[in-house]
Amino acid sequence: DAGVIQSPRHEVTEMGQEVTLRCKPISGHNSLFWYRQTMMRGLELLIYFNNNVPIDDSGMPEDRFSAKMPNASFSTLKIQPSEPRDSAVYFCASSTLQGAVTGANVLTFGAGSRLTVL
Amino acid sequence: AQSVTQLDSHVSVSEGTPVLLRCNYSSSYSPSLFWYVQHPNKGLQLLLKYTSAATLVKGINGFEAEFKKSETSFHLTKPSAHMSDAAEYFCVVSDGGTGGFKTIFGAGTRLFVKA
Repeated sequence: DAGVIQSPRHEVTEMGQEVTLRCKPISGHNSLFWYRQTMMRGLELLIYFNNNVPIDDSGMPEDRFSAKMPNASFSTLKIQPSEPRDSAVYFCASSTLQGAVTGANVLTFGAGSRLTVL
Repeated sequence: AQSVTQLDSHVSVSEGTPVLLRCNYSSSYSPSLFWYVQHPNKGLQLLLKYTSAATLVKGINGFEAEFKKSETSFHLTKPSAHMSDAAEYFCVVSDGGTGGFKTIFGAGTRLFVKA
Protein backbone atom coordinates (compact mmCIF):
# COMPACT_ATOMS: atom_id res chain seq x y z
CA ASP A 1 0.00 0.00 0.00
CA ALA A 2 1.32 3.47 -0.84
CA GLY A 3 0.10 4.90 2.44
CA VAL A 4 -1.79 8.15 2.84
CA ILE A 5 -1.03 10.40 -0.09
CA GLN A 6 -1.22 14.16 0.18
CA SER A 7 -0.78 16.78 -2.48
CA PRO A 8 0.70 19.21 -3.00
CA ARG A 9 3.70 18.70 -0.72
CA HIS A 10 4.49 22.40 -0.81
CA GLU A 11 2.40 25.37 -1.84
CA VAL A 12 3.26 29.02 -1.82
CA THR A 13 0.43 31.41 -2.60
CA GLU A 14 -0.57 34.98 -2.10
CA MET A 15 -3.09 36.26 0.39
CA GLY A 16 -6.61 36.10 -0.97
CA GLN A 17 -6.02 33.13 -3.24
CA GLU A 18 -7.91 29.88 -2.95
CA VAL A 19 -5.95 26.88 -1.72
CA THR A 20 -7.01 23.26 -2.15
CA LEU A 21 -5.21 20.46 -0.36
CA ARG A 22 -5.88 16.87 -1.34
CA CYS A 23 -5.71 13.56 0.44
CA LYS A 24 -6.03 9.96 -0.63
CA PRO A 25 -6.48 7.70 2.42
CA ILE A 26 -5.34 4.11 2.69
CA SER A 27 -7.69 1.78 0.88
CA GLY A 28 -10.12 0.18 3.31
CA HIS A 29 -9.75 2.84 5.99
CA ASN A 30 -13.10 4.35 6.90
CA SER A 31 -12.03 7.38 8.90
CA LEU A 32 -10.12 10.42 7.75
CA PHE A 33 -8.69 13.27 9.79
CA TRP A 34 -7.31 16.68 8.86
CA TYR A 35 -4.80 18.30 11.22
CA ARG A 36 -2.91 21.58 11.10
CA GLN A 37 0.53 21.94 12.68
CA THR A 38 2.14 25.24 13.63
CA MET A 39 4.87 26.14 16.08
CA MET A 40 2.49 28.21 18.16
CA ARG A 41 -0.50 25.88 18.30
CA GLY A 42 0.96 22.43 17.78
CA LEU A 43 -1.20 19.78 16.09
CA GLU A 44 -4.82 20.85 15.89
CA LEU A 45 -7.61 18.57 14.74
CA LEU A 46 -9.59 20.48 12.14
CA ILE A 47 -12.20 17.94 11.09
CA TYR A 48 -12.73 14.21 10.84
CA PHE A 49 -14.92 11.99 8.72
CA ASN A 50 -16.32 8.53 9.34
CA ASN A 51 -17.59 6.63 6.31
CA ASN A 52 -17.30 9.85 4.28
CA VAL A 53 -19.57 11.75 6.68
CA PRO A 54 -18.17 14.72 8.63
CA ILE A 55 -18.47 13.87 12.32
CA ASP A 56 -16.83 16.80 14.05
CA ASP A 57 -15.73 20.03 12.41
CA SER A 58 -15.44 22.06 15.60
CA GLY A 59 -11.75 22.55 14.96
CA MET A 60 -12.22 24.33 11.65
CA PRO A 61 -11.01 27.82 12.47
CA GLU A 62 -13.28 29.91 10.28
CA ASP A 63 -15.81 29.78 7.50
CA ARG A 64 -12.93 30.29 5.12
CA PHE A 65 -12.06 26.63 5.73
CA SER A 66 -14.11 23.82 4.25
CA ALA A 67 -13.53 20.09 3.81
CA LYS A 68 -15.24 17.48 1.73
CA MET A 69 -15.03 13.75 1.29
CA PRO A 70 -17.02 12.86 -1.83
CA ASN A 71 -15.98 9.21 -1.71
CA ALA A 72 -13.94 6.77 0.35
CA SER A 73 -10.74 7.43 -1.56
CA PHE A 74 -10.53 11.21 -1.68
CA SER A 75 -10.82 14.27 0.52
CA THR A 76 -10.10 17.95 0.08
CA LEU A 77 -9.43 20.80 2.46
CA LYS A 78 -10.09 24.19 0.95
CA ILE A 79 -9.17 27.64 2.21
CA GLN A 80 -10.84 30.56 0.49
CA PRO A 81 -9.62 33.25 0.77
CA SER A 82 -6.25 32.35 2.25
CA GLU A 83 -4.46 34.55 4.78
CA PRO A 84 -0.83 34.61 6.01
CA ARG A 85 -1.89 33.16 9.37
CA ASP A 86 -3.03 30.03 7.56
CA SER A 87 0.61 29.18 6.86
CA ALA A 88 1.21 25.77 8.41
CA VAL A 89 1.76 22.11 7.65
CA TYR A 90 -1.52 20.36 7.02
CA PHE A 91 -1.62 16.64 7.71
CA CYS A 92 -4.17 14.13 6.58
CA ALA A 93 -4.49 10.81 8.41
CA SER A 94 -6.68 7.77 7.95
CA SER A 95 -7.66 4.85 10.14
CA THR A 96 -9.95 1.89 10.40
CA LEU A 97 -12.78 1.87 12.89
CA GLN A 98 -14.20 -1.52 13.67
CA GLY A 99 -17.55 -0.66 15.18
CA ALA A 100 -17.17 0.07 18.90
CA VAL A 101 -13.87 -1.75 19.24
CA THR A 102 -11.38 0.61 20.77
CA GLY A 103 -7.80 0.35 19.77
CA ALA A 104 -8.56 -0.02 16.12
CA ASN A 105 -8.17 3.70 15.62
CA VAL A 106 -4.47 3.82 14.80
CA LEU A 107 -3.88 6.79 12.56
CA THR A 108 -1.58 6.58 9.57
CA PHE A 109 -0.36 10.00 8.53
CA GLY A 110 0.49 11.43 5.17
CA ALA A 111 3.70 13.35 4.65
CA GLY A 112 1.90 16.67 5.01
CA SER A 113 1.31 19.71 2.83
CA ARG A 114 3.37 22.75 3.75
CA LEU A 115 1.40 25.90 2.98
CA THR A 116 2.94 29.35 2.88
CA VAL A 117 0.64 32.30 2.34
CA LEU A 118 2.47 35.54 1.52
CA ALA B 1 -15.02 15.68 25.80
CA GLN B 2 -11.46 14.51 25.95
CA SER B 3 -8.21 16.34 26.50
CA VAL B 4 -4.55 15.55 26.87
CA THR B 5 -1.83 17.45 28.71
CA GLN B 6 1.86 16.93 28.21
CA LEU B 7 3.48 18.29 31.30
CA ASP B 8 6.84 19.24 29.80
CA SER B 9 7.38 21.18 26.59
CA HIS B 10 11.09 20.26 26.57
CA VAL B 11 13.10 17.45 28.17
CA SER B 12 16.85 17.19 27.96
CA VAL B 13 18.76 14.01 28.89
CA SER B 14 22.24 12.67 28.38
CA GLU B 15 22.81 9.72 26.11
CA GLY B 16 22.51 6.48 28.03
CA THR B 17 20.29 7.90 30.79
CA PRO B 18 16.59 7.19 31.28
CA VAL B 19 13.84 9.13 29.51
CA LEU B 20 10.53 10.14 31.08
CA LEU B 21 7.93 12.08 29.11
CA ARG B 22 4.79 12.82 31.09
CA CYS B 23 1.21 12.79 29.87
CA ASN B 24 -2.15 13.18 31.61
CA TYR B 25 -5.50 12.75 29.89
CA SER B 26 -9.20 13.11 30.46
CA SER B 27 -11.94 11.27 28.66
CA SER B 28 -15.66 10.72 28.98
CA TYR B 29 -15.35 7.20 27.61
CA SER B 30 -12.87 4.36 27.85
CA PRO B 31 -10.07 5.89 25.82
CA SER B 32 -7.37 4.53 23.65
CA LEU B 33 -4.04 6.20 24.24
CA PHE B 34 -1.09 6.52 21.94
CA TRP B 35 2.36 8.01 21.67
CA TYR B 36 3.55 9.29 18.31
CA VAL B 37 7.02 10.57 17.41
CA GLN B 38 7.95 13.20 14.87
CA HIS B 39 11.54 13.66 13.78
CA PRO B 40 12.53 17.06 12.34
CA ASN B 41 10.80 17.79 9.04
CA LYS B 42 9.30 14.32 9.02
CA GLY B 43 5.83 12.87 9.38
CA LEU B 44 4.30 11.26 12.45
CA GLN B 45 5.05 7.69 13.41
CA LEU B 46 3.23 5.53 15.94
CA LEU B 47 5.42 4.51 18.90
CA LEU B 48 2.90 2.52 20.90
CA LYS B 49 -0.76 2.23 21.80
CA TYR B 50 -2.91 1.30 24.80
CA THR B 51 -6.22 -0.36 24.03
CA SER B 52 -7.62 -1.57 27.37
CA ALA B 53 -5.51 -4.72 27.43
CA ALA B 54 -2.23 -4.81 29.38
CA THR B 55 -1.56 -1.57 31.23
CA LEU B 56 2.16 -1.68 30.45
CA VAL B 57 2.61 -1.23 26.75
CA LYS B 58 5.81 -1.83 24.84
CA GLY B 59 6.53 0.05 21.65
CA ILE B 60 9.24 0.42 19.08
CA ASN B 61 12.83 1.47 19.76
CA GLY B 62 12.73 0.37 23.40
CA PHE B 63 9.99 2.77 24.50
CA GLU B 64 7.19 1.76 26.81
CA ALA B 65 4.30 3.43 28.58
CA GLU B 66 2.14 2.57 31.55
CA PHE B 67 -1.57 3.32 31.71
CA LYS B 68 -2.61 4.38 35.22
CA LYS B 69 -6.34 4.96 35.37
CA SER B 70 -6.31 6.23 38.96
CA GLU B 71 -3.81 8.91 38.00
CA THR B 72 -5.19 9.46 34.47
CA SER B 73 -1.63 9.22 33.26
CA PHE B 74 0.16 7.57 30.36
CA HIS B 75 3.83 8.44 30.79
CA LEU B 76 6.39 7.38 28.19
CA THR B 77 9.71 5.92 29.32
CA LYS B 78 12.89 4.45 27.93
CA PRO B 79 15.70 3.01 30.08
CA SER B 80 18.56 4.42 28.03
CA ALA B 81 18.38 7.34 25.62
CA HIS B 82 20.07 7.25 22.25
CA MET B 83 21.02 10.22 20.12
CA SER B 84 18.55 9.10 17.49
CA ASP B 85 15.70 9.52 20.00
CA ALA B 86 15.93 13.29 19.71
CA ALA B 87 12.55 14.28 18.31
CA GLU B 88 9.14 15.60 19.29
CA TYR B 89 6.79 13.23 21.06
CA PHE B 90 3.01 13.51 21.13
CA CYS B 91 0.62 11.89 23.57
CA VAL B 92 -2.73 11.18 21.94
CA VAL B 93 -6.17 10.29 23.28
CA SER B 94 -8.94 8.80 21.22
CA ASP B 95 -12.40 7.87 22.42
CA GLY B 96 -15.66 6.87 20.88
CA GLY B 97 -18.54 9.25 21.03
CA THR B 98 -21.43 9.40 18.69
CA GLY B 99 -20.05 8.22 15.40
CA GLY B 100 -16.34 7.84 15.04
CA PHE B 101 -13.33 8.31 17.31
CA LYS B 102 -12.19 11.85 17.95
CA THR B 103 -8.42 11.82 18.22
CA ILE B 104 -6.70 14.65 20.03
CA PHE B 105 -2.97 15.37 20.23
CA GLY B 106 -1.13 16.88 23.16
CA ALA B 107 1.04 19.94 22.67
CA GLY B 108 4.15 17.80 22.29
CA THR B 109 7.38 17.33 24.22
CA ARG B 110 10.63 17.98 22.47
CA LEU B 111 13.32 15.56 23.60
CA PHE B 112 16.95 16.66 23.44
CA VAL B 113 19.69 14.06 23.87
CA LYS B 114 23.16 15.26 24.81
CA ALA B 115 26.28 13.30 23.95
